[in-house]
Amino acid sequence: DAEITQSPRHKITETGRQVTLACHQTWNHNNMFWYRQDLGHGLRLIHYSYGVQDTNKGEVSDGYSVSRSNTEDLPLTLESAASSQTSVYFCASSAGQGQSYTFGSGTRLTVV
Amino acid sequence: GEDVEQSLFLSVREGDSSVINCTYTDSSSTYLYWYKQEPGAGLQLLTYIFSNMDMKQDQRLTVLLNKKDKHLSLRIADTQTGDSAIYFCAESTSGTYKYIFGTGTRLKVLA
Repeated sequence: DAEITQSPRHKITETGRQVTLACHQTWNHNNMFWYRQDLGHGLRLIHYSYGVQDTNKGEVSDGYSVSRSNTEDLPLTLESAASSQTSVYFCASSAGQGQSYTFGSGTRLTVV
Repeated sequence: GEDVEQSLFLSVREGDSSVINCTYTDSSSTYLYWYKQEPGAGLQLLTYIFSNMDMKQDQRLTVLLNKKDKHLSLRIADTQTGDSAIYFCAESTSGTYKYIFGTGTRLKVLA
């Protein structure tokens, strides 16, 4: 069965370190998205991609970067982790406009 | 700009109906969605409605859309303890594949 997986599920890192969160989908979806979930803010869009070599900034992109070298993967990199980036991160994918998102199970990141 | 708002908490008794409300500001939204998030899990699609519809019913779920007031609601009939979760509304606009999510409403069902 097709799926979307995130790894790791939990991570603790220190301030200033570079961290990469993985997202891998086997739906063959062109569109992939990274959101962060924080209490009182819901889900906020960090970065998104509409296909290979395409990446776009979302509303809270500062301090984050993504790359899309193939259809299946959209890794999210925190260049220099900050305590404000402690959050739960969700990856999602979709086939196209009007098509619903399929979400990963999330990565809980703690920056100490 | 785009903004989607929901109340943060709702508590109901088992067997009662739950109504979760959502307001949005982008009048050009073409699709509106409801997602459910159970503890420790990702979001799962519950239902959706096209902007040219006023109502959609799917078993215990009823979605009402008031385009004039930019108001969306989700009614859950005969609410069960398994319905306890966070519910998110989301909108997407013609010409874009990305969603704008609301803040989420935490529904607690009391036995």
